[in-house]
Amino acid sequence: GESVGLHLPTLSVQEGDNSIINCAYSNSASDYFIWYKQESGKGPQFIIDIRSNMDKRQGQRVTVLLNKTVKHLSLQIAATQPGDSAVYFCAEPSWGQGAQKLVFGQGTRLTINP
Amino acid sequence: NAGVTQTPKFQVLKTGQSMTLQCAQDMNHEYMSWYRQDPGMGLRLIHYSVGAGITDQGEVPNGYNVSRSTTEDFPLRLLSAAPSQTSVYFCASSSGGSQHFGDGTRLSIL
Repeated sequence: GESVGLHLPTLSVQEGDNSIINCAYSNSASDYFIWYKQESGKGPQFIIDIRSNMDKRQGQRVTVLLNKTVKHLSLQIAATQPGDSAVYFCAEPSWGQGAQKLVFGQGTRLTINP
Repeated sequence: NAGVTQTPKFQVLKTGQSMTLQCAQDMNHEYMSWYRQDPGMGLRLIHYSVGAGITDQGEVPNGYNVSRSTTEDFPLRLLSAAPSQTSVYFCASSSGGSQHFGDGTRLSIL
């Protein structure tokens, strides 16, 4: 079955620096991944997604890279801001009757230091 | 636009008590789901629904019941609460794309 995992549970970076959060997956047939941001006391919020026919996808200050050879994806946040402090999850959807069922990784807590 | 609304935000129960966690969405989404999040972990799917009258089990369904009588509401029922059900519960909805999550119900079972 699907499983996603993260290399590090915590990450601290200086405000203005770039951050990279990593995620590994085990199923070589996996074809779609989503990154979520969860702020304290809130539910997860969609950041960006990527399909397996892409190696890279960019959003506003965020880039996701997918390496299918080693089954690894990363989330890069440029010029980090205090508001980027949160827990970040990679998630892999499966499908049931057309509904998206998410399998979440453990999460990485990102702390932005002033 | 409220999005996904969960009530209550906090609840403490005694072992064996029953309770219903409420979830409502105002986006006319057909898909709704319940997840639980334990400390230091990602969310795990409990039950989901693809429309009114249709529900199915997720990864960790034991001890929970759901029903979907309307498009807007998707309540989660604990019939006999156990300490292992202490967790934060999130409801989500979608129209087939990315899921929109509520802010959670923090539930403690003593």
